[in-house]
Amino acid sequence: QSALTQPPSASGAPGQSIVISCSGSRSNIGTNSVNWYRQLPGTAPQLVIYDNIVRASGVPDRFSGSKSGTSASLAISGLQSEDEGDYYCAPWDDTLSGPVFGAGTRLTVL
Amino acid sequence: QVTLRESGPALVRPTQTLTLTCTFSGLSLTTTAMRASWLRQPPGKAPEWLARIDWDDDKFYNTSLRTRLAISKDTSKNQVILTLSNVDPMDTATYYCARTRIDSASNFFFDFWGQGILVTVSS
Repeated sequence: QSALTQPPSASGAPGQSIVISCSGSRSNIGTNSVNWYRQLPGTAPQLVIYDNIVRASGVPDRFSGSKSGTSASLAISGLQSEDEGDYYCAPWDDTLSGPVFGAGTRLTVL
Repeated sequence: QVTLRESGPALVRPTQTLTLTCTFSGLSLTTTAMRASWLRQPPGKAPEWLARIDWDDDKFYNTSLRTRLAISKDTSKNQVILTLSNVDPMDTATYYCARTRIDSASNFFFDFWGQGILVTVSS
């Protein structure tokens, strides 16, 4: 059982916007920055957002991150089919003394 | 161009020791602030961080697995090696190596990943 809670799935039509949430606790999101990764089937995760809000190299500005208290969110506007995949939030956890991953949210573009 | 490539056995018997190698290209393990981690991802589950080694040979481990893990590097080959002892079918996973960044805000993240290697533990 993960220390972080993400919805198992999310979906939206092309062009729409969606938000993926990640809920944690003071020992992880409450105290540390949040990073987001996307994973396509059969491939390695790729960094999407780091430091809560910074887009990784090559990530379009349709992707944005935010954090408030012990929760974080990844927003994607103008959904495209290429945005599909599993999205994981991953902050450092002070109790575990290491990074922790959420269980992941599978995004489907309808 | 930065590439990381994992290598090792695809099948390991229970109680054996798993040894995996990650070969870095385009990055030197001796560069100041160079850090490398191993992670794994059981089928259908989230990734899990296992261990990290820094350019100065500092080593850090997942606390729940530290008695079974060992990370090292061979700078002459630009490789990072992970061993996991006394493996169990629960250790079946895709194992990844990744460059690890710790930025000025002490944020810890993985910006380059290898393609991963699926390791199955079975008798």
